[in-house]
Amino acid sequence: GAVVSQHPSRVICKSGTSVKIECRSLDFQATTMFWYRQFPKQSLMLMATSNEGSKATYEQGVEKDKFLINHASLTLSTLTVTSAHPEDSSFYICSATGTDNEKLFFGSGTQLSVL
Amino acid sequence: SQQGEEDPQALSIQEGENATMNCSYKTSINNLQWYRQNSGRGLVHLILIRSNEREKHSGRLRVTLDTSKKSSSLLITASRAADTASYFCAGNQAGTALIFGKGTTLSVSS
Repeated sequence: GAVVSQHPSRVICKSGTSVKIECRSLDFQATTMFWYRQFPKQSLMLMATSNEGSKATYEQGVEKDKFLINHASLTLSTLTVTSAHPEDSSFYICSATGTDNEKLFFGSGTQLSVL
Repeated sequence: SQQGEEDPQALSIQEGENATMNCSYKTSINNLQWYRQNSGRGLVHLILIRSNEREKHSGRLRVTLDTSKKSSSLLITASRAADTASYFCAGNQAGTALIFGKGTTLSVSS
């Protein structure tokens, strides 16, 4: 099956700093990637849809200047949490559709803790 | 895309028992998918059932789909402790993001 690699798996940072999370499709080209956020024991909340070569589409209520998404190639999308605050602490997960454009393949997630 | 709502929210069973989880959705879909999430990990795709299918099997998994009731069920037979996880469903319209419900947390004790 398709493999999505997400890095880092865990990051602790100070308030006010920026954090970049990478999501790579290892064995397929991902035209579209999705970024989700998940609070403990809650569902995944879709943050944005990342399209290669174009601007990301953000869901309502998600600040695009806060959560910068770049999808510069068919195998890499990045999410940068800018000027992080403690309330940004969460589990962030990326995913991509495979060649069938149906099933989602997920990265292993990034646990962000902002002190 | 279509959010799935899972029921029950939590389920505790003994090893060897069967576990049934239900999912409801609101509008038409091309397919419905079930995913599993171990704590602190990403989701893993389990099974996809298309709108023109009524039942599908994969190993110990059995999924049903009733488009007239807009509902689906996931049955895990002969459960094992390793099946302990959260299970999510999502209805899909091709090319759009999947929106997940709150999931069913399954605990299988040995």
